[in-house]
Formats: sequence, structure tokens, C-alpha cells
Amino acid sequence: KAGVTQTPRYLIKTRGQQVTLSCSPISGHRSVSWYQQTPGQGLQFLFEYFSETQRNKGNFPGRFSGRQFSNSRSEMNVSTLELGDSALYLCASSLDGLGGYTFGSGTRLTVV
Amino acid sequence: GESVGLHLPTLSVQEGDNSIINCAYSNSASDYFIWYKQESGKGPQFIIDIRSNMDKRQGQRVTVLLNKTVKHLSLQIAATQPGDSAVYFCAEISPSNTGKLIFGQGTTLQVKP
Repeated sequence: KAGVTQTPRYLIKTRGQQVTLSCSPISGHRSVSWYQQTPGQGLQFLFEYFSETQRNKGNFPGRFSGRQFSNSRSEMNVSTLELGDSALYLCASSLDGLGGYTFGSGTRLTVV
Repeated sequence: GESVGLHLPTLSVQEGDNSIINCAYSNSASDYFIWYKQESGKGPQFIIDIRSNMDKRQGQRVTVLLNKTVKHLSLQIAATQPGDSAVYFCAEISPSNTGKLIFGQGTTLQVKP
């Protein structure tokens, strides 16, 4: 079966711009979680969506937002980009958010 | 706050030896734990998981041990191979935080031929 697909794989943006990242979960998975990975902070939880509803949220500023569509695909948006937003953004899908998480390969965002 | 920590940032072992990677967690309410392997340029890959009603779970060449008394988790890799070289993360989840994995900082496993 197809895995979790994240697009694009790489992205370079300028400070102040906004960006949208996409995640297609494994077929049948209804939970999608997003994580930010940096060398200094490790893997930090951003938010989780289940059946188009945000069910859980991490400690990130409001510039970070997301949504989930009826087909379970999810997008995350970061507005007014800062240099510190440079990171690998990972999404993970799960049937129900209680376990069995599968990660995508991530989107490498560089803010210059 | 909540955190899952690993004891060593780097572990270097000889090919063929057994590896043990440790993790301490702080949330006693966590009931599900997962070990992930992450290779360069890739997302975390599931290795093995364990529920809090178990003490030990075995997979192919890997074993996870859970000690709830001291809130400690370990991953044992038997007959370590060069392909095992990667960063290993433990993660926890609690029933009150559905969908939210809390990750440790990671241990880099280096396998010497």
C-alpha cells in the first residue's frame, strides 16, 4: 500500500512569506499529525487532525495553522515566515490517532 | 512539562554486538510507547511499540523493555548491523493527548565494521 506522501520535498522561502505544505495519509487513515524537526529542539508536535477537526495542538504560535479535507489529506500553513521556521516538517498518519503512526519523508523548509 | 529523554546522544558499537538504547519518560499517564529509527533524509520509521500493560515485546532482532516503576524504556538490537546506523527516537502518547507523540531527543547509533 502507498505510504504517507508529503509535498513538496524541499522548499526555499524568504522571510515574511507564507508557505503551504501538503500531506496525503495512508488510505483509510483518518488522523494526521504534524511535527517540526530541528537539530536544537528535536521533534515537536504541531497539531493533529481527525475527520477534518483539529483535535490536539502543540505550543506553536498562531502563524502555524492547518486543515484537513474530507479525503483526510491535510495541509499546514505557516504565515510571516521567520528564519527560525527553517526545519524538516513531518506528517504522520494513523487510523485513529491512538497508535500505528506512519511518517512521511518530510518537507525541508529553508527560510532565507 | 512532559518530556521523554534518552540517556546518551551517541552510541558506538561493533558490528555483531548487541546494542541497548535507553529512554526515560516523565508522564506516568502515558500508556503507549514507540521506538522509531530515522535515517538521513528520511522520516522516522516504526521499529516496535509496547503498551503499558506489557513489560517486554520482541520483534525481529529487536526487543523493547518497559519498566513503569522507574518510567524507563529500552530498545535492544541484537547482532547490530551497519544498516542499523541511524538516529533512534523513543516516543510516548497518553490517552488524554490523542494524536500527540512526545519524542525524546534521539540517540545516534554508529556501527563500526
